[in-house]
Amino acid sequence: KQEVTQIPAALSVPEGENLVLNCSFTDSAIYNLQWFRQDPGKGLTSLLLIQSSQREQTSGRLNASLDKSSGRSTLYIAASQPGDSATYLCAVEVSGGSQGNLIFGKGTKLSVKP
Amino acid sequence: KAGVTQTPRYLIKTRGQQVTLSCSPISGHRSVSWYQQTPGQGLQFLFEYFSETQRNKGNFPGRFSGRQFSNSRSEMNVSTLELGDSALYLCASSSRGANTGELFFGEGSRLTVL
Repeated sequence: KQEVTQIPAALSVPEGENLVLNCSFTDSAIYNLQWFRQDPGKGLTSLLLIQSSQREQTSGRLNASLDKSSGRSTLYIAASQPGDSATYLCAVEVSGGSQGNLIFGKGTKLSVKP
Repeated sequence: KAGVTQTPRYLIKTRGQQVTLSCSPISGHRSVSWYQQTPGQGLQFLFEYFSETQRNKGNFPGRFSGRQFSNSRSEMNVSTLELGDSALYLCASSSRGANTGELFFGEGSRLTVL
């Protein structure tokens, strides 16, 4: 059974700092991995999608990497800003017949202090 | 391009009642997934529809049901509400067919059961 873990559960950093959020999964047979952002009381915003054949994806100040063999992904945020404060979730899609069923981690709650 | 729209945004029901939630996907998206989010369990997959057919179902009791219409709009219904059904219900759409691809979420419907 696929399990997704995100460490740490919460993180507080000063503005301008570069930071890394971690995501690990137990079964390497994934189709893709997606990072999301969720603001309080809101829905999820897709940040980056990494296909299983890819090693990383970049969008602006965000860079996500994927290492299937070790069951790990990291989300790197450069030059953090107070507006980056939110909960960050990673989710994997298991290979083979799991349409729509993403397995989510519990998230990392990020607070960026001005 | 309009995003995923969910209605209603907030609703309060009492135990034993039933509720219907609606989701309009991004134009052109034929896959719609539903998730339940609670503080304790995080995000859990309910079901996924593609071209009016349920392709995948999560581990929820039969009180939770859904359907999809020919215009890809989807509804989910919860009958005989219980206190534990209080949650944020999120709908997501995807343009992919064979697998999920990138998921785009709505703002959610916050259900409170008294």
